[in-house]
Amino acid sequence: KAGVTQTPRYLIKTRGQQVTLSCSPISGHRSVSWYQQTPGQGLQFLFEYFSETQRNKGNFPGRFSGRQFSNSRSEMNVSTLELGDSALYLCASSSRGANTGELFFGEGSRLTVL
Amino acid sequence: KQEVTQIPAALSVPEGENLVLNCSFTDSAIYNLQWFRQDPGKGLTSLLLIQSSQREQTSGRLNASLDKSSGRSTLYIAASQPGDSATYLCAVEVSGGSQGNLIFGKGTKLSVKP
Repeated sequence: KAGVTQTPRYLIKTRGQQVTLSCSPISGHRSVSWYQQTPGQGLQFLFEYFSETQRNKGNFPGRFSGRQFSNSRSEMNVSTLELGDSALYLCASSSRGANTGELFFGEGSRLTVL
Repeated sequence: KQEVTQIPAALSVPEGENLVLNCSFTDSAIYNLQWFRQDPGKGLTSLLLIQSSQREQTSGRLNASLDKSSGRSTLYIAASQPGDSATYLCAVEVSGGSQGNLIFGKGTKLSVKP
């Protein structure tokens, strides 16, 4: 059974650009969550989607957005990139509905903003 | 506001030693607690999930306990091996409408010396 797949694994952007990251959850999982990991702040929750609906959102500016498709694949977008957006972006999927249950993470997308 | 603390931040032990990693949380109203392992530059690997109604979970050489009333969890690793070297993270899911939003500690970086 394939795990959570994130693409691209690495990318470099410059300030002001935008970026789109993709996440394919484990087959059958309908919940997808996104996290940002930095050395200073650790892991911080961005948002969660279930059946194409955003159910929960963390404390990030509106430049961070996401969506989920009917096949449960998810994308997140960051517009007008800032240096502080450099981080490892992790996607996780879960089979549970009402609550999160066990989360399974992908390898992450490492974003560097120059 | 839920806060998760992991002590110590780093730990170095000789191979074969049994060890305990600590995790504390400030709000006992949790749905579950999950332990993860993260290797450098990689995503998170789920180790153990403890539901709020459970006291402990075991998987191989790993045993995790949960004491909600005191806001503590421990991860016990028996007969440590160099391959156990990684950062160990604990995370809690807060009860009630927090789908996908796990609150993470900053982790304990474990080094097992041959």
